[in-house]
Amino acid sequence: SAVISQKPSRDICQRGTSLTIQCQVDSQVTMMFWYRQQPGQSLTLIATANQGSEATYESGFVIDKFPISRPNLTFSTLTVSNMSPEDSSIYLCSVVAGKTQYFGPGTRLLVL
Amino acid sequence: AQSVTQLGSHVSVSEGALVLLRCNYSSSVPPYLFWYVQYPNQGLQLLLKYTSAATLVKGINGFEAEFKKSETSFHLTKPSAHMSDAAEYFCAVSSAANFGNEKLTFGTGTRLTIIP
Repeated sequence: SAVISQKPSRDICQRGTSLTIQCQVDSQVTMMFWYRQQPGQSLTLIATANQGSEATYESGFVIDKFPISRPNLTFSTLTVSNMSPEDSSIYLCSVVAGKTQYFGPGTRLLVL
Repeated sequence: AQSVTQLGSHVSVSEGALVLLRCNYSSSVPPYLFWYVQYPNQGLQLLLKYTSAATLVKGINGFEAEFKKSETSFHLTKPSAHMSDAAEYFCAVSSAANFGNEKLTFGTGTRLTIIP
């Protein structure tokens, strides 16, 4: 199994600012995933982060808006840049361990 | 490519009644299938998973699901609903061969309400 923690758990931000979300895993994992869950909706994959290489972004998401770092096998950050109210969502970090994908508790972001 | 359809965005059942949440998937390759639960203001918790072993899978909190290839279904059931089961439930699919290297594809979710 894998235990995932995220910081911050929630935040309220002003439009135009940026927020960096941290994800820490209690074991080494090859791939980490960042998902977004907009209010009342399902989960959408933003990008996949491999250690030592650039993140791979899904259609509709770009590095300038959602830069990701993956400095080691247990940690990653996602930055939400130049925020607008449309970025208000839950952002979830996820990893695969064995035959299971685990999710962090999420970061609840409200942009005013 | 995979896809998931969850029939019924909202389901209400009486406490003690059967819970049935429907999930149909589409996959051109053998799938892995998952049910996750999300309680209010929390992240996703794995309920159960199908990974090519037994077709009837038992999970936490008394839930189970049956993989039916002929029907491309993976419906979630619980014999007797409890108030604490009120939550959002998500069905998800991935390819078995490439699991861990590709994203999970999620359904749109089903909100379960328990009536006292």
